[in-house]
Amino acid sequence: ETGVTQSPTHLIKTRGQQVTLRCSSQSGHNTVSWYQQALGQGPQFIFQYYREEENGRGNFPPRFSGLQFPNYSSELNVNALELDDSALYLCASSPGSGGGYNEQFFGPGTRLTVL
Amino acid sequence: KQEVTQIPAALSVPEGENLVLNCSFTDSAIYNLQWFRQDPGKGLTSLLLIQSSQREQTSGRLNASLDKSSGRSTLYIAASQPGDSATYLCAVRAGGSGNTGKLIFGQGTTLQVKP
Repeated sequence: ETGVTQSPTHLIKTRGQQVTLRCSSQSGHNTVSWYQQALGQGPQFIFQYYREEENGRGNFPPRFSGLQFPNYSSELNVNALELDDSALYLCASSPGSGGGYNEQFFGPGTRLTVL
Repeated sequence: KQEVTQIPAALSVPEGENLVLNCSFTDSAIYNLQWFRQDPGKGLTSLLLIQSSQREQTSGRLNASLDKSSGRSTLYIAASQPGDSATYLCAVRAGGSGNTGKLIFGQGTTLQVKP
């Protein structure tokens, strides 16, 4: 069974650019969540996708957007990058409807640096 | 608004000691609580998941307890080893109406086990 994978591992961008991060969910999982983890902090919830629909959003501006594909893989897009967007971006997948009792399994993350 | 706090922020112990990490949360309306381990610059590894109806979970040298009414959880690590050195994060799965199943994290406890 393949776990959650993310690409790329590291990324360096400059302010104002756009970036796309990718996540493949664990086999059999139809819900994907994205989190941002700044250095020394706990992860913060960005949004969640269930069956290709956004299923909840945290306190992030609209320039953070996402997609989920029919195979349940997902993308996180960030437009107009700011210095404060520098962080580790984590993807998590879980089975079921996204709410409730299911355990979330995390990928290794993408380290984004904005210069 | 749910808030999760972990105390202490950092902990250093000699190898072989038993230790307890603390996690508190402000709203008892949770579905479950998860403990994670994070090595520097890496993703999150799920250690234990406790459903809201459970009191504790055990895995090897790890034991996690949950007291929903007081808003507390503890992670007990028996006979600590240098390989246990990492940051430990607790996260609650938000409950209530409109629940997306998002995880709300504490800031973590960074553990160092000295040989």
